[in-house]
Amino acid sequence: TQLLEQSPQFLSIQEGENLTVYCNSSSVFSSLQWYRQEPGEGPVLLVTVVTGGEVKKLKRLTFQFGDARKDSSLHITAAQPGDTGLYLCAGDPYNTDKLIFGTGTRLQVFP
Amino acid sequence: EAGVTQFPSHSVIEKGQTVTLRCDPISGHDNLYWYRRVMGKEIKFLLHFVKESKQDESGMPNNRFLAERTGGTYSTLKVQPAELEDSGVYFCASSQGYYNEQFFGPGTRLTVL
Repeated sequence: TQLLEQSPQFLSIQEGENLTVYCNSSSVFSSLQWYRQEPGEGPVLLVTVVTGGEVKKLKRLTFQFGDARKDSSLHITAAQPGDTGLYLCAGDPYNTDKLIFGTGTRLQVFP
Repeated sequence: EAGVTQFPSHSVIEKGQTVTLRCDPISGHDNLYWYRRVMGKEIKFLLHFVKESKQDESGMPNNRFLAERTGGTYSTLKVQPAELEDSGVYFCASSQGYYNEQFFGPGTRLTVL
């Protein structure tokens, strides 16, 4: 059973388009994190959302935590080729200090 | 400040052989984690060290995997004997303390033929 489901799995868009990636679970998380991973590198933390309903912005990226703290979304405005990569959500639902990762969304932005 | 480093970056071995992966955490980070991603699956937790002690090894697949962190600095993950299903990317991460941000290394891609 996959605890964190991400959708879509793959996304290919043109530069300038907007997109949203979803991370869903049936479990409640005290916090959720979003990572971005590029080829040959490990995941790099983008943001942590903690409070239900919280919205955080990082330049053209907007992250939202669901009110019930079971889901999160990542919205990218006017995507750029530099946004290309693998986006991962992750959380620690049991407060055991070990991360559970989502299945990932591979984004390709074409110029 | 140097990030988490892992060695080797790639390893190709035959089934039945032994492989040892190494992770050097960020200096001063007491917490060290091992994760892996096998083909087509999500990244999964293997184990967690606090200094030299194994805090949680609930994710270790079986007794063919042995992790050590002598002296509380670098860590090694040995697979002996390797099986085909062990192929994947093994990530190491470190953090300053519990529930702090985990910084990931670039991973070691292991291929078992």
